[in-house]
Amino acid sequence: SQQGEEDPQALSIQEGENATMNCSYKTSINNLQWYRQNSGRGLVHLILIRSNEREKHSGRLRVTLDTSKKSSSLLITASRAADTASYFCATDARSTLTFGKGTMLLVSP
Amino acid sequence: KAGVTQTPRYLIKTRGQQVTLSCSPISGHRSVSWYQQTPGQGLQFLFEYFSETQRNKGNFPGRFSGRQFSNSRSEMNVSTLELGDSALYLCASSLETLYNEQFFGPGTRLTVL
Repeated sequence: SQQGEEDPQALSIQEGENATMNCSYKTSINNLQWYRQNSGRGLVHLILIRSNEREKHSGRLRVTLDTSKKSSSLLITASRAADTASYFCATDARSTLTFGKGTMLLVSP
Repeated sequence: KAGVTQTPRYLIKTRGQQVTLSCSPISGHRSVSWYQQTPGQGLQFLFEYFSETQRNKGNFPGRFSGRQFSNSRSEMNVSTLELGDSALYLCASSLETLYNEQFFGPGTRLTVL
């Protein structure tokens, strides 16, 4: 089974709205990363949060990490059509980097 | 700096054949990792190379192998291809470790007939 599981599997919103996607994992981690993948730019690193951090911001992105619940959330504020993509969390465990199945985000103009 | 490049971009092979994919990392990056992406299994880690040595390995059969050269360029080989090997193969590079920010190439789309 996947170490990281994103929720929801798909999300459809209007431009300007906020989008929240969640990631749950099973084993202890050192870091958790979020990546975005779309047809135009491929897979791109968004943000990394370490296990001793609770929250991190980067532009319109806000990531939280709750190690007690083994979960993370990615918030995209004031979404744009260009944010349409699949979003993956990636966790380090057992000497591998494990990606979840992803959340497909559709932002409509 | 130039990004991660992968060749070829598209490949069609038949069952039983073997294939070699190539990856050139960003200049100065010493860690190169390979991933397989399929609709059913998603993104799965194959292996990581650092300083010409395989440092980490995912849960794939021995038909999947790789190597890294002294200039950090990497190749991945799949022998005795199966239909299920049809996938997008992604290469990623980072400065020192796959556990930090990685830069991904555009991928090689492999189709096995």
